Amino acid sequence: NAGVTQTPKFQVLKTGQSMTLQCAQDMNHNSMYWYRQDPGMGLRLIYYSASEGTTDKGEVPNGYNVSRLNKREFSLRLESAAPSQTSVYFCASSPSYGQHFGDGTRLSIL
Amino acid sequence: GEDVEQSLFLSVREGDSSVINCTYTDSSSTYLYWYKQEPGAGLQLLTYIFSNMDMKQDQRLTVLLNKKDKHLSLRIADTQTGDSAIYFCAERPSGGYQKVTFGTGTKLQVIP
Repeated sequence: NAGVTQTPKFQVLKTGQSMTLQCAQDMNHNSMYWYRQDPGMGLRLIYYSASEGTTDKGEVPNGYNVSRLNKREFSLRLESAAPSQTSVYFCASSPSYGQHFGDGTRLSIL
Repeated sequence: GEDVEQSLFLSVREGDSSVINCTYTDSSSTYLYWYKQEPGAGLQLLTYIFSNMDMKQDQRLTVLLNKKDKHLSLRIADTQTGDSAIYFCAERPSGGYQKVTFGTGTKLQVIP
């Protein structure tokens, strides 16, 4: 029972490089989310997808793009990485209540 | 905007009860959640309560909601070392399950 799977688990990038974080869920949930977690700031919503084919901005969308490839997969892309994007990134999916989280991608931008 | 506040740290002895507190500002909250995060892992949904409830009990966990004061608490009975983690309070307003607001988390340390 995989739940929400994120890849990669760790990544180091140089400033200006691009990267796509992958997320897949096997629970047949309609809604999927991308958060970033920074020390002392809780979780902040980057983008979400209420259903296949739709995406919307969250609290901190600047510097990111997303793709809802199908019902299972929701990817997050950094086009030109900046040191301020160093963070832990979590993907989540949701039925009508609560959210199920992946184990995160730890991303460092040098 | 919506705000959810928690104390940063709580230390308890093994076998004692832990009480983690949370305050929120959005009076239209419909669901209030407690999540647990262990080191190196994502958030795990522990329990949730509807805003029309005062209390919910689930094994060792008791959630109390004071809607008038916008105060939520999580009580863990007979706290074990495996309960050491960061606990997040979160709230979801009516009409928007995308707009979940998380607190900054309370780190629970259980002393053997």
